[in-house]
Amino acid sequence: DSGVTQTPKHLITATGQRVTLRCSPRSGDLSVYWYQQSLDQGLQFLIQYYNGEERAKGNILERFSAQQFPDLHSELNLSSLELGDSALYFCASSVVGQKRIPEAFFGQGTRLTVV
Amino acid sequence: GESVGLHLPTLSVQEGDNSIINCAYSNSASDYFIWYKQESGKGPQFIIDIRSNMDKRQGQRVTVLLNKTVKHLSLQIAATQPGDSAVYFCADLYLKAAGNKLTFGGGTRVLVKP
Repeated sequence: DSGVTQTPKHLITATGQRVTLRCSPRSGDLSVYWYQQSLDQGLQFLIQYYNGEERAKGNILERFSAQQFPDLHSELNLSSLELGDSALYFCASSVVGQKRIPEAFFGQGTRLTVV
Repeated sequence: GESVGLHLPTLSVQEGDNSIINCAYSNSASDYFIWYKQESGKGPQFIIDIRSNMDKRQGQRVTVLLNKTVKHLSLQIAATQPGDSAVYFCADLYLKAAGNKLTFGGGTRVLVKP
C-alpha cells in the first residue's frame, strides 16, 4: 500500500458527461501529480499541485481541470467526456524539501470508461 | 517540449537471465533519474534512483547506469524472475523549490519466460 488513495476505482460514464476523480495523498506530502495512462501507453503528465497551488501543467485538455484543497486532497474534473478520454488516471504524491530523494508514491488509479 | 524515454517496446527474457532496459532523456537539467515498475492493474512503484552526478548505482538485483554524454539511462535486472514481469518506466526528476517536476518516459514491457 503506497498510502495514496484514489476513488473511485472504476467509473463508467457516457459521452458528454462530467466526472470528478479524487486523490488523497500520503500524510505529509504536499505535492500531488495527476497522470493519464491510455491502454498500453506511458504515463502522460497532466498537472501538479503543491500545497494548494498549481505548479506545473502538462498535456492537460481545457475540458479537464484540477484543484488541491486545504486538507491537501486533490480532485481532477473531466468534462464533456469523449470516448478517447477512456484511460487510467493516476495520482501521485511526494514530499518536497527534504534531503532524501522526493520519491513519488502512486495510487492504484481510477479506470475511466466512456461509452 | 522536453521528454524522457521511448515508445513502449517489449523485452522477452528467459527466467534466470539478466535484463537490460534502456531509456533516453532530453532534459540535461534533471536532478535525478528514476525507474518505476508497474504491474498489471497497479500504480507505478519506485525501484531505484540515481542522482545526476553519478554514473552507476546498485540496488538489490538491480543496477542503474547513467551516461550523461549521450543522455542515456539503463536498468539492469540480474537473474530475472517471473515476478519481474511488468512495465518499467524511466522518469526524470527536476527539483524546484516551488514543486518538483517528474516526467515519465514511454515504458518497456518485460515478459519473463519460464
